[in-house]
Amino acid sequence: DAGVTQSPTHLIKTRGQQVTLRCSPKSGHDTVSWYQQALGQGPQFIFQYYEEEERQRGNFPDRFSGHQFPNYSSELNVNALLLGDSALYLCASSFWGGYGYTFGSGTRLTVV
Amino acid sequence: AQRVTQPEKLLSVFKGAPVELKCNYSYSGSPELFWYVQYSRQRLQLLLRHISRESIKGFTADLNKGETSFHLKKPFAQEEDSAMYYCASVVGSNYKLTFGKGTLLTVNP
Repeated sequence: DAGVTQSPTHLIKTRGQQVTLRCSPKSGHDTVSWYQQALGQGPQFIFQYYEEEERQRGNFPDRFSGHQFPNYSSELNVNALLLGDSALYLCASSFWGGYGYTFGSGTRLTVV
Repeated sequence: AQRVTQPEKLLSVFKGAPVELKCNYSYSGSPELFWYVQYSRQRLQLLLRHISRESIKGFTADLNKGETSFHLKKPFAQEEDSAMYYCASVVGSNYKLTFGKGTLLTVNP
């Protein structure tokens, strides 16, 4: 079992551009959560998807959006990138209603 | 809003010494509390969860509701314990983790 897989590993974008990050959950998990981890900080919750719907959202602007597909994989989209969006983006999968989160290795996004 | 505080950014101990990583939470109810660990070049992984009352890799953590604390302890630190440790909480049925800023533990030989 490969666990949670995220792609790409690293990404460099220019201010104002748009980016899409991808996540494949651990086999059997049906819920995907996204976190942003800025340098020197703990991960911050962005949103969570279950049954292809956004179930919860953290304190992030509408520029951050997501999607979950029927196979439970998920995408995180960020529009109009700002320098402050530079961070490690983590995907975590779990069973809906469970606390057993499995994290991916993350995508390192650099906005220049 | 719930908040998790880890007052120490860095903690350095010698091998064989006791170690305690501090964590305080702000929620007055009954949160679920966790310790996550990230070893060098590895992904974030669950170390222990308070409700399970397990001892993982010699680490234990006790929930103190009076002090709203969930400190992580190990009586004899090992070099392989060197890692970044995050305390996290979940409140109610929202299932979202709120993390502290983390403590980097270094165990010196």
